[in-house]
Amino acid sequence: GQQVMQIPQYQHVQEGEDFTTYCNSSTTLSNIQWYKQRPGGHPVFLIQLVKSGEVKKQKRLTFQFGEAKKNSSLHITATQTTDVGTYFCAGPTGNQFYFGTGTSLTVIP
Amino acid sequence: DGGITQSPKYLFRKEGQNVTLSCEQNLNHDAMYWYRQDPGQGLRLIYYSQIVNDFQKGDIAEGYSVSREKKESFPLTVTSAQKNPTAFYLCASSMGKLSSYNEQFFGPGTRLTVL
Repeated sequence: GQQVMQIPQYQHVQEGEDFTTYCNSSTTLSNIQWYKQRPGGHPVFLIQLVKSGEVKKQKRLTFQFGEAKKNSSLHITATQTTDVGTYFCAGPTGNQFYFGTGTSLTVIP
Repeated sequence: DGGITQSPKYLFRKEGQNVTLSCEQNLNHDAMYWYRQDPGQGLRLIYYSQIVNDFQKGDIAEGYSVSREKKESFPLTVTSAQKNPTAFYLCASSMGKLSSYNEQFFGPGTRLTVL
């Protein structure tokens, strides 16, 4: 069946270090969305990428959509304690919507 | 104040009982979704509805049922047939259809524990 995997599952970084999470889908996604879920909270939309090879930036966050539209990445430069949470990629394929397995980020002050 | 409300925040039920989780939105969104989240895992789609009186099964619909009689409301019933119902349940809505380019807005979730 369809799978959207993210690596790593967990990441601990010192504040100020960079962080990257990778998202891989077993099938092509028409678009990719990224969400952030703070501990104890609910997912909040960050961004959407539509075109293959697309790159978007939001301040310290850089999002990339692969050429084959089956993978994506989120890179955070110089992490801050406010970046703590779990980051999910997600996207539609066919008549279903799949979330990735998530990467939980811990930032050590 | 626009948004999605889910109630209750915590719910406890005995094994074998059906339980209905509430989800209401005042965003005038056409599409609504139910997800299940287990500890350390991603969200899995249970059911979604793109229009009133219509809904589609997600990946893990077995043991669940839904209704969409009003645009604002999309209640989820966890039946006794669901073998492992203890989980965090999240409701979401979006402006357009599932396959369209629309972000999903999530409610605060209901944490269901079946004893």
